[in-house]
Amino acid sequence: DTGVSQDPRHKITKRGQNVTFRCDPISEHNRLYWYRQTLGQGPEFLTYFQNEAQLEKSRLLSDRFSAERPKGSFSTLEIQRTEQGDSAMYLCASSLQNSQETQYFGPGTRLLVL
Amino acid sequence: GDSVTQMEGPVTLSEEAFLTINCTYTATGYPSLFWYVQYPGEGLQLLLKATKADDKGSNKGFEATYRKETTSFHLEKGSVQVSDSAVYFCALFKGGYNKLIFGAGTRLAVHP
Repeated sequence: DTGVSQDPRHKITKRGQNVTFRCDPISEHNRLYWYRQTLGQGPEFLTYFQNEAQLEKSRLLSDRFSAERPKGSFSTLEIQRTEQGDSAMYLCASSLQNSQETQYFGPGTRLLVL
Repeated sequence: GDSVTQMEGPVTLSEEAFLTINCTYTATGYPSLFWYVQYPGEGLQLLLKATKADDKGSNKGFEATYRKETTSFHLEKGSVQVSDSAVYFCALFKGGYNKLIFGAGTRLAVHP
């Protein structure tokens, strides 16, 4: 068990650019979650997948955000036309379906939009 | 809506002092409650959890008791160490909602 991994760990981009983050969950976990954490706040839920199906999206997930989990394993989160307000830590977590309350988090990707 | 409120930090203690970080929640039904810890530059680690009223979660000397009558889940440790310096997050989970709801976090700084 190598834990949840995320790549990259840090990303600096200019406003208007597109960025993509990757998350690799714990291998046997069929649920995968994305959260966003801004400075001084707790993580906020963005979306989650059960296998390859995206089952819920938060109102925080604007049209510029898209997440995929094409083969039910790793997931990507893309932000198009980034804005300064997108600067945050993006956290990925995974869980088993029958133990969904116990979520294991990755180290996060810290995004800075200049 | 459901929410979690934590005491504001930072909390600054000397090594071997007693720690309490307050957490209260607002939720219908019977949520599960959690404490997560975030060390500098790292992701969140599950510290302990409790799934029903009067349950006590414990790990690494930390403990918290699920108090439904006061809707609280306060984190305690009898003797903190410098290595406990981190941000602590209280969170709740309700079945059917599929997501954790976090408090804002409390930063703990322990000095030798």
